[in-house]
Amino acid sequence: AQSVTQLDSQVPVFEEAPVELRCNYSSSVSVYLFWYVQYPNQGLQLLLKYLSGSTLVKGINGFEAEFNKSQTSFHLRKPSVHISDTAEYFCAVREQGAQKLVFGQGTRLTINP
Amino acid sequence: GAVVSQHPSWVICKSGTSVKIECRSLDFQATTMFWYRQFPKQSLMLMATSNEGSKATYEQGVEKDKFLINHASLTLSTLTVTSAHPEDSSFYICSARVTVAKNIQYFGAGTRLSVL
Repeated sequence: AQSVTQLDSQVPVFEEAPVELRCNYSSSVSVYLFWYVQYPNQGLQLLLKYLSGSTLVKGINGFEAEFNKSQTSFHLRKPSVHISDTAEYFCAVREQGAQKLVFGQGTRLTINP
Repeated sequence: GAVVSQHPSWVICKSGTSVKIECRSLDFQATTMFWYRQFPKQSLMLMATSNEGSKATYEQGVEKDKFLINHASLTLSTLTVTSAHPEDSSFYICSARVTVAKNIQYFGAGTRLSVL
């Protein structure tokens, strides 16, 4: 069964600094990978996804992520963060042929002025 | 993008009563809907998966008689928490997907349930 590990539970960053949120997964088959953002008391919004093709995927709000099959990683990056990026970020994986989307534990990104 | 509407956003109820949460896909037909539960500062835990017109498939450890799921149409799924108790207090989030091939799940804004 697949699993997802987000290595950092909290990441504090200064405004306009770059950020990387780490995500590793485990699966014996091919997977689809997703990053979602959750603002307080809200549902999840899709930031970006990797289904196939180019390993570098660009999403909304200036975020991008790179799929690295050999390292089973899908780290999320943004070159310059804003206060409005403060939120919880979830990495998720779905195995090909499976129904279930499995989430990581989440990373709380806090942007300091 | 596609919109999933979840109602109510917040509900407070007395212990022993039942609460129904609705999840609607507003601009697409969802063959599959998912119900998640989220505890404070934790990740989403899948409770059940429902396909339109079929019985829901519950995850291990989720009481199907307590959490009743109905997916009667391609745009509506409901979760009923029966005989709610304080330990059922949580944030419940629904999600909808068009088909497996359309590889994106869209999420509702969530329902915060507080059982007194």
